[in-house]
Amino acid sequence: DTGVSQNPRHKITKRGQNVTFRCDPISEHNRLYWYRQTLGQGPEFLTYFQNEAQLEKSRLLSDRFSAERPKGSFSTLEIQRTEQGDSAMYLCASSHGQAPANEKLFFGSGTQLSVL
Amino acid sequence: AQTVTQSQPEMSVQEAETVTLSCTYDTSESDYYLFWYKQPPSRQMILVIRQEAYKQQNATENRFSVNFQKAAKSFSLKISDSQLGDAAMYFCAYRRNNNDMRFGAGTRLTVKP
Repeated sequence: DTGVSQNPRHKITKRGQNVTFRCDPISEHNRLYWYRQTLGQGPEFLTYFQNEAQLEKSRLLSDRFSAERPKGSFSTLEIQRTEQGDSAMYLCASSHGQAPANEKLFFGSGTQLSVL
Repeated sequence: AQTVTQSQPEMSVQEAETVTLSCTYDTSESDYYLFWYKQPPSRQMILVIRQEAYKQQNATENRFSVNFQKAAKSFSLKISDSQLGDAAMYFCAYRRNNNDMRFGAGTRLTVKP
């Protein structure tokens, strides 16, 4: 068990470019979450998956953002036409999903996005 | 809307001493869950301790304990016998019976040798 893995660790892009991040959850975890964390703030919920189904999306997730989990294993988060305001740490977390409210989330180390 | 407030942006403690981190939250619900997560420089968030609102007994995990005051909507974290490895950002979080975990802005804890 190698924990939740996120790639890349850092991403620098120019405004207007598209970027894609990948998250590999702990195997057999059926829930996967995406959070965004800006400097000096706590993580903010973006979206989550139960297996391959995307069950909830935050209003923070504009139409430039799309997330997928095609086979219920790894997930990708794509940001189209990036803006400077998208600069943040993007965190992925996974969980068993058996007790949704008090379950422990396992986080990855995040992808730090810088939009120039 | 539920909000989580951590009023201490930074705290410091001497090694082996005790420190308490504050957290308050706002909710109209009676059934919910509270968490403290630690984020070291490696950036990976780690669960420190959790509390179910329906339980009156305060949660304890080794050197970490909470003081849960439901009426006051307060959920402070006490770290006893502080160690250098405790230095990190600490986030208080609230969650109801959905999947939106709300985090506070965090408290940066420094441990002085």
